[in-house]
Parts: sequence; C-alpha cells; structure tokens
Amino acid sequence: DTAVSQTPKYLVTQMGNDKSIKCEQNLGHDTMYWYKQDSKKFLKIMFSYNNKELIINETVPNRFSPKSPDKAHLNLHINSLELGDSAVYFCASSQAPAGVSYNEQFFGPGTRLTVL
Amino acid sequence: DQQVKQNSPSLSVQEGRISILNCDYTNSMFDYFLWYKKYPAEGPTFLISISSIKDKNEDGRFTVFLNKSAKHLSLHIVPSQPGDSAVYFCAASADSGNTPLVFGKGTRLSVIA
Repeated sequence: DTAVSQTPKYLVTQMGNDKSIKCEQNLGHDTMYWYKQDSKKFLKIMFSYNNKELIINETVPNRFSPKSPDKAHLNLHINSLELGDSAVYFCASSQAPAGVSYNEQFFGPGTRLTVL
Repeated sequence: DQQVKQNSPSLSVQEGRISILNCDYTNSMFDYFLWYKKYPAEGPTFLISISSIKDKNEDGRFTVFLNKSAKHLSLHIVPSQPGDSAVYFCAASADSGNTPLVFGKGTRLSVIA
C-alpha cells in the first residue's frame, strides 16, 4: 500500500502553461508538505498544511497555489510556468504539525517537472 | 546560504565495514536533527533522528552522533550492506521543531560487495 502518492510522476510542459500535481496520503496524518528539489539538489520546503490550513509558506511565488480539499490531499497548482520551475517536487506528510518535535516526515516518490 | 552542509557528495565503502556520513550546520538554534535515506526515483525515507539534549542515538546498525560545540553530526552504519547504497540527507530544525526542516545536499553512499 502506497503511503504517500503523487501524480503524475513525470510532467513535461511548455512555458506559460498551468499545471497541477496531486498528492494523497493514506496514513491518517494531519500535516502535509510540498518540497522542491532544484538542480543543485537542495530540498527546500515550499508549503505546509495542517488539517487543511496553511501553516508554512516559504516565500514561494504566488504562481504556486496549494489546495487542500481534505487533510488527506494537498495538491499543487502552478500558473504561468517558467523555465526555473523545472525541478523535482516532493509531497510529504507527518503525524505532528511542523511546530512539534519529532515530525518525521513520509515522502512521496516525487514528480519531475520539466518546463520547455 | 547553506545552513546544513554535507561536504562529501559521495562515499564508497566495502561491505561489512563502517560507513560514516558527516553533516555540519551553522545555525546554533537548530536543536533537532534527522537523517533521511533516498533511493533513485523514490522519495526520502526517515532513518533516524536525534534531539540536542542527547549526543547519541542508536537504532540497529544505525547510530547518529551529535557534537553541539562543533555543530557537527555524523551517521554511522555498521556493518554496511549493499542495500544501504543510497543518497543520505541530513536535516535540521530549530525551536524544538517549530521551524521547517532544512536539508543538506545529500551524500551518495555506495557499498561495494
């Protein structure tokens, strides 16, 4: 059983398009996250949601809009895609919210986004 | 500004020997540290963690050591196995976990049979 799943696994698109990446977790966790791993391999947090409420937004352009219809899903919508958005995007979840110790996070397999 | 540094991009170790992966940090406010392991085409998986109130945490073949004065932590894997071959990320958080995890760039470990 997949704990944290993301779709699609690969996404190739043109500059200027709008695209979405979906994430679902079946762990019953309250907190979900989106990370970006760029070409330099740094894994950086973008957003964190706890029980459908945004709790962390790390200076991400407002072209990126997370949407959490329920606590098991956190989708990432990106408007007007730019070349610099090319990266691997990871979704993650944890039992404790980001604000409590021991927030070991469970990651999805990643979505490789390529903007041409 | 790299607050968490893993200065060795790669490491090769013989099967059965000890693997030592190092991590340095610059933010003295960090008080909780984690190691994640990542296989190709998969997301990172949590391996082991340590709070700043401890200097050692052990879980089976994996031990993490924390030297707060040196702002340094290390992950020891003994004995190393071929299945340990992966990228290992060090991560840190401050204020008892009240800040987002900050990750290092990772170290690719290759365990040679």
